[in-house]
Amino acid sequence: QKEVEQDPGPLSVPEGAIVSLNCTYSNSAFQYFMWYRQYSRKGPELLMYTYSSGNKEDGRFTAQVDKSSKYISLFIRDSQPSDSATYLCAMSVVRLQGAQKLVFGQGTRLTINP
Amino acid sequence: KAGVTQTPRYLIKTRGQQVTLSCSPISGHRSVSWYQQTPGQGLQFLFEYFSETQRNKGNFPGRFSGRQFSNSRSEMNVSTLELGDSALYLCASSPDPGSNTGELFFGEGSRLTVL
Repeated sequence: QKEVEQDPGPLSVPEGAIVSLNCTYSNSAFQYFMWYRQYSRKGPELLMYTYSSGNKEDGRFTAQVDKSSKYISLFIRDSQPSDSATYLCAMSVVRLQGAQKLVFGQGTRLTINP
Repeated sequence: KAGVTQTPRYLIKTRGQQVTLSCSPISGHRSVSWYQQTPGQGLQFLFEYFSETQRNKGNFPGRFSGRQFSNSRSEMNVSTLELGDSALYLCASSPDPGSNTGELFFGEGSRLTVL
């Protein structure tokens, strides 16, 4: 079993719809939770970052973390064709000396249809 | 400010050969990480360097190695290539450890095809 599970999709929705993307994880030591967006032929870029449990909102994007259920979500409101991309969840443990090691989900391929 | 630069962008090798990939981080970033991305396994952590020292390593065989130079530029090497090494190799840099956002700045990757 992978440490982080994410439905690879693909997911296709009409423009303006609310999109819900989810990941589950098994390592209770994870405390940093991130969502990255990757356009075709590009590297991933950080979209949202959350430390521990709770919600975080940034414009049309909302990230939720439920550590008790080991479940994180990303909601996209008023989805736009430009949101079409692969969305990757990523997690890491509390870092010592700044060492970085992210564990990624498989990525969900999202298409927003005009 | 220039982003993370990876070279070459595309390359084709045959089994048994070796390959060296290069990464120039964002100016001022001292941490460089490498990830392998494949359709089946997704993004998997290879290793991370800071101040020319490897601080963390993923679960890859010893054929995968890397190094970082004093100017923070990094290279990774894969020896005795196997078909399964075909992947997109992504380099990411991040600011000094004082930043706790966990944000990695990725390059566009080097796509390796092994025939």
